[in-house]
Amino acid sequence: NAGVTQTPKFRVLKTGQSMTLLCAQDMNHEYMYWYRQDPGMGLRLIHYSVGEGTTAKGEVPDGYNVSRLKKQNFLLGLESAAPSQTSVYFCASSPLGGGVQETQYFGPGTRLLVL
Amino acid sequence: LAKTTQPISMDSYEGQEVNITCSHNNIATNDYITWYQQFPSQGPRFIIQGYKTKVTNEVASLFIPADRKSSTLSLPRVSLSDTAVYYCLVGDRGSTLGRLYFGRGTQLTVWP
Repeated sequence: NAGVTQTPKFRVLKTGQSMTLLCAQDMNHEYMYWYRQDPGMGLRLIHYSVGEGTTAKGEVPDGYNVSRLKKQNFLLGLESAAPSQTSVYFCASSPLGGGVQETQYFGPGTRLLVL
Repeated sequence: LAKTTQPISMDSYEGQEVNITCSHNNIATNDYITWYQQFPSQGPRFIIQGYKTKVTNEVASLFIPADRKSSTLSLPRVSLSDTAVYYCLVGDRGSTLGRLYFGRGTQLTVWP
């Protein structure tokens, strides 16, 4: 049971390039989330999904797109990377997503540097 | 989700008890209080959750006064490995969005 895994662990992009971050979970969780974390700040929710085939915007969705074609995978896409998207990206999942009492399980993070 | 206020940083020495207080003045009747821990270069992980009075597990204790406008995470006899950022979250148990609001958290540094 690997929990939540993220690919890649680290990536450097040039401004304007595109890339996709992959998140996979093997816990059969319904809810999945993408957060970004910038230095000295907490995590901010980018997008989330309440089940296969569904996605919704979080607090900071601009410049990102997501897809949940399979229950176990949640993809985060950057169509045209900008330096402001330099950050650490965390994926998380939870069984039902029922609120604060629903424990979220986080992946190890992806460090993205946009030059 | 109710916003929370925590100290930005705290320092302690090994073997001491550490108490981190979180203010949540506008907590709602149905809100629960949850704490997460984040080590450097890792994602946050759940520590403890409570609604009122006291909750204890193998990692920490959570004290919640009767008015529930604050809560205190207590870490007994900390070690160097407890150096991490601790986040206090407050939210509605019935929320269907599953969204967590992470503030800046409290950076706890444990010294030898």
